[in-house]
Amino acid sequence: KAGVTQTPRYLIKTRGQQVTLSCSPISGHRSVSWYQQTPGQGLQFLFEYFSETQRNKGNFPGRFSGRQFSNSRSEMNVSTLELGDSALYLCASSLVVQSTDTQYFGPGTRLTVL
Amino acid sequence: GENVEQHPSTLSVQEGDSAVIKCTYSDSASNYFPWYKQELGKRPQLIIDIRSNVGEKKDQRIAVTLNKTAKHFSLHITETQPEDSAVYFCAARPSGGGADGLTFGKGTHLIIQP
Repeated sequence: KAGVTQTPRYLIKTRGQQVTLSCSPISGHRSVSWYQQTPGQGLQFLFEYFSETQRNKGNFPGRFSGRQFSNSRSEMNVSTLELGDSALYLCASSLVVQSTDTQYFGPGTRLTVL
Repeated sequence: GENVEQHPSTLSVQEGDSAVIKCTYSDSASNYFPWYKQELGKRPQLIIDIRSNVGEKKDQRIAVTLNKTAKHFSLHITETQPEDSAVYFCAARPSGGGADGLTFGKGTHLIIQP
């Protein structure tokens, strides 16, 4: 099976712009989670989607949003970009949304905000 | 919410020796504890995970132990090899239908000295 894929792999934006990142889960997986990875804060949970519904949300401002489509693909959007949003954004997919499900990560999208 | 502490932040061992990384968690409802390995510029990859109905799990040179009473779990790597050099992350997730995403420790940079 193909692994989790993310596009684009690299992005450079300026402050105030918005950005949309895409994630395609492993075939058959219905849950997608998003994480932000920075050197200072490490890996932090953003949100989780299952069956096109946001199931959980981490402690991030409303500028961070996402959605999931009927084919389980997911997008996340960050509006009004700030310098501190520069990070590696990782998505992970799992079969369903049980707490004990294994999550498999994609390669990430490296976002740089200038 | 859940809080995961990971120690040490850096661990240097001689090739062939054993390495141990320790994590503690705060939420007694956590029932899933994965370990991820992340090489520079690559995605986090699951190396082993343990669920709260098991106290120990082993996969070749890698083992994880879980002490639910003390709320800590550890990763043990025996006969370390140069390719084990990477950053290792522990994580925990509470039960309850996946109410939260994975909460990660800050990571341990494992260095295998030849």
